[in-house]
Amino acid sequence: EVQLLESGGGLVQPGGSLRLSCAASGFTFSSYPMSWVRQAPGKGLEWVSVICGSGGSTYYADSVKGRFTISSDNSKNTLYLQMDSLRAEDTAVYYCAKSGGVSCSSHIDYWGQGTLVTVSS
Amino acid sequence: DIVMTQSPDSLAVSLGERATINCKSSQSVLHSSNNKNYLGWYQQKPGQPPKLVIYWASARESGVPDRFSGSGSGTDFTLTISSLQAEDVAVYYCQQYYSIPFTFGPGTKVDIK
Repeated sequence: EVQLLESGGGLVQPGGSLRLSCAASGFTFSSYPMSWVRQAPGKGLEWVSVICGSGGSTYYADSVKGRFTISSDNSKNTLYLQMDSLRAEDTAVYYCAKSGGVSCSSHIDYWGQGTLVTVSS
Repeated sequence: DIVMTQSPDSLAVSLGERATINCKSSQSVLHSSNNKNYLGWYQQKPGQPPKLVIYWASARESGVPDRFSGSGSGTDFTLTISSLQAEDVAVYYCQQYYSIPFTFGPGTKVDIK
């Protein structure tokens, strides 16, 4: 059974940093692209970032480019999102998500429960 | 970036009746190399993460009831719930995964009339 368990969310001041983690199990973690998707309170889904392929190519939404860094540790089956220079508009539930195929361009077939990040003074 | 739009914003349908949600992309998400539409549909119930319903525009995810179906190609897509059940009350999102950023539509809320 695929499981994705996010952690690391919390309250942070504007300009601060936070590192999210996503512990994955139930599948061959290194074989699938992994993504972060966020959802601001009462709003829709926003794709944030994806890490793809054995080379670990990374891609970002313009709204987080230069501030967020996605990475993974295949030995720990864990996905990360380092978030720096946080802004109020980054406040959201952050979901870890697994791709349904081995290609970077693939649908999401499993989602974690999400972790809430609140950016406020 | 590919912009995804959905219509309507919300709809209320009687139990057992058909619900139809439309999704439009600002450019084609049909890949000529494999003739696949890079379009997925997700269901999100209150307080829960999204759940995959349809991928490649028309492939039903394992375990999803057959009352859910997806259709369309190129830039215009439809999610149909053939006979709405109480457990189908949710917000439905389309997403293109043809090109980065993999954008979502704004969502369509489905309720019982």
